[in-house]
Amino acid sequence: GQQLNQSPQSMFIQEGEDVSMNCTSSSIFNTWLWYKQDPGEGPVLLIALYKAGELTSNGRLTAQFGITRKDSFLNISASIPSDVGIYFCAGPYTGNQFYFGTGTSLTVIP
Amino acid sequence: DGGITQSPKYLFRKEGQNVTLSCEQNLNHDAMYWYRQDPGQGLRLIYYSQIVNDFQKGDIAEGYSVSREKKESFPLTVTSAQKNPTAFYLCASSIGWGMYETQYFGPGTRLLVL
Repeated sequence: GQQLNQSPQSMFIQEGEDVSMNCTSSSIFNTWLWYKQDPGEGPVLLIALYKAGELTSNGRLTAQFGITRKDSFLNISASIPSDVGIYFCAGPYTGNQFYFGTGTSLTVIP
Repeated sequence: DGGITQSPKYLFRKEGQNVTLSCEQNLNHDAMYWYRQDPGQGLRLIYYSQIVNDFQKGDIAEGYSVSREKKESFPLTVTSAQKNPTAFYLCASSIGWGMYETQYFGPGTRLLVL
């Protein structure tokens, strides 16, 4: 799959702080997916968004589908040590191809 | 529990040897995929299958082969023609194909060359 532009590339934050990351594309998407991957493990789906402007929460995680359909945002509130990992966005594009973000590496300092 | 299983977790390959990575899903999904992940890099598509007995090459299919004889199974063979096979391999599936699909991943297989 081709890559989406994801930022920031890495983040080092104190426990309890909020986190924001985003994904952008030059193309329109109908679905935005956010995953978390721990070292040596497969990605786990966190949130799926299917409608422009949609705001969806999963516990302390909140994701938004941008109204232009070319971007999406993920926020984590009150971070904890187990939030450490790599977060990446994805979306189905043509046919059965998925595009993936380059990933945001999150480190939470206790 | 529904999900995707991959085996083995770790696999060692000797020079000139073909090895096969297993991927099984009990989600009743039509579409299945194989990706390769290298350190610090994103996911690269090797092969995908939209339906049984059909599969298509992805971006980096050279040195790999697949089969899809059953809906729930999509094994990947890393052949001796793949000169740099050391990587983390991820299998994924989705209900169907199109612009509204959600993709689910297995736990991965790490392939190392002896």
